[in-house]
Amino acid sequence: SQQGEEDPQALSIQEGENATMNCSYKTSINNLQWYRQNSGRGLVHLILIRSNEREKHSGRLRVTLDTSKKSSSLLITASRAADTASYFCATGPSTSGTYKYIFGTGTRLKVLA
Amino acid sequence: SQTIHQWPATLVQPVGSPLSLECTVEGTSNPNLYWYRQAAGRGLQLLFYSVGIGQISSEVPQNLSASRPQDRQFILSSKKLLLSDSGFYLCAWSPDRGLNTEAFFGQGTRLTVV
Repeated sequence: SQQGEEDPQALSIQEGENATMNCSYKTSINNLQWYRQNSGRGLVHLILIRSNEREKHSGRLRVTLDTSKKSSSLLITASRAADTASYFCATGPSTSGTYKYIFGTGTRLKVLA
Repeated sequence: SQTIHQWPATLVQPVGSPLSLECTVEGTSNPNLYWYRQAAGRGLQLLFYSVGIGQISSEVPQNLSASRPQDRQFILSSKKLLLSDSGFYLCAWSPDRGLNTEAFFGQGTRLTVV
């Protein structure tokens, strides 16, 4: 089952612009994670934000989490053509004892050089 | 360091034929193991996950099954493939009992049922 929706489904921007992707989820969480997938490849983990955190940075990535709205956003600043990929949010293992990672529907980002 | 191997990379199989996809993890013990399927341009659907040898949780009842015969080996099988089984299959692992940990993915198998 999908955890939730990501918005937008597709995004096309110029190199150097910022890209923002949003994720909504359905259940209470222990953490929320963002992954990147290049076409035809496996997923690569980008960043993890815990449920008691509101914002986290990693290089050009900034993630926010609003547990009251069950939503998260991923901001990629100063985008590059190499950032072209699909980006997925996922809810991670929970304290209820399951070790599942449930993914959203993804945002396809295209960065034009 | 830990690595995950998934094979084959691509597979074309006729309808009604059996399937066996294998995934192995190196450099860790008692990992949690996962099988996902991804339809073209879509998100990931969790099919099976395992927290130990012989322990399989099925998320979506369907034409597929999974087995974990060894600690770091996870196999996805089908006795008779359907056209609807086509897709991109991804194996992943995460550390034993890790709550705030990431999942590590293999490179995937592109299955086309014809």
